[in-house]
Amino acid sequence: GAGVSQSPSNKVTEKGKDVELRCDPISGHTALYWYRQRLGQGLEFLIYFQGNSAPDKSGLPSDRFSAERTGESVSTLTIQRTQQEDSAVYLCASSQSLTYEQYFGPGTRLTVT
Amino acid sequence: QQQVKQSPQSLIVQKGGISIINCAYENTAFDYFPWYQQFPGKGPALLIAIRPDVSEKKEGRFTISFNKSAKQFSLHIMDSQPGDSATYFCAASYHAGNNRKLIWGLGTSLAVNP
Repeated sequence: GAGVSQSPSNKVTEKGKDVELRCDPISGHTALYWYRQRLGQGLEFLIYFQGNSAPDKSGLPSDRFSAERTGESVSTLTIQRTQQEDSAVYLCASSQSLTYEQYFGPGTRLTVT
Repeated sequence: QQQVKQSPQSLIVQKGGISIINCAYENTAFDYFPWYQQFPGKGPALLIAIRPDVSEKKEGRFTISFNKSAKQFSLHIMDSQPGDSATYFCAASYHAGNNRKLIWGLGTSLAVNP
């Protein structure tokens, strides 16, 4: 079946603009995660959804970052007033609830100029 | 401590050689230890995983060795091939309320020379 998809694959934006990143998880996966990966770095946890609620937002770096999930499916990560330090690959993963295996999408490469 | 410490940061191995990546942890609440493989431009994908009540798990050329008393685990890639060139992440998983969280190592960039 289809894996996790993310769009756009690449996004170049000017500093100060808002961006929306989209994630389509695997059908039936109740858990959804957003991560940030800076060049050559590890994965930085941002937020976790169980269904449409987000019980763990502890990784969001500032109030410029927000995310929502609807229909226990699609999720969007919004970054307001983008800064150059927001440049990174944003990865989305989904999993069946309470399993260790997360299935990742290919990521969105965000470049803030 | 929620950290997972991974080493080395990068590794170069000749084709046919053994690649070894090490990870260490502190939190005894971790109950599952997966390794993920990431190719350039792709998201990480689960490679192999082990529970702490097992000392070794082997899948093809990939083996996890687990030392519970030392709180260390390692990935061994036997007969390394150029196609194994990728970034490898160790992780440790634990229950946190109604969630299962993964704590990630910083990754090891492996290059296998032909």
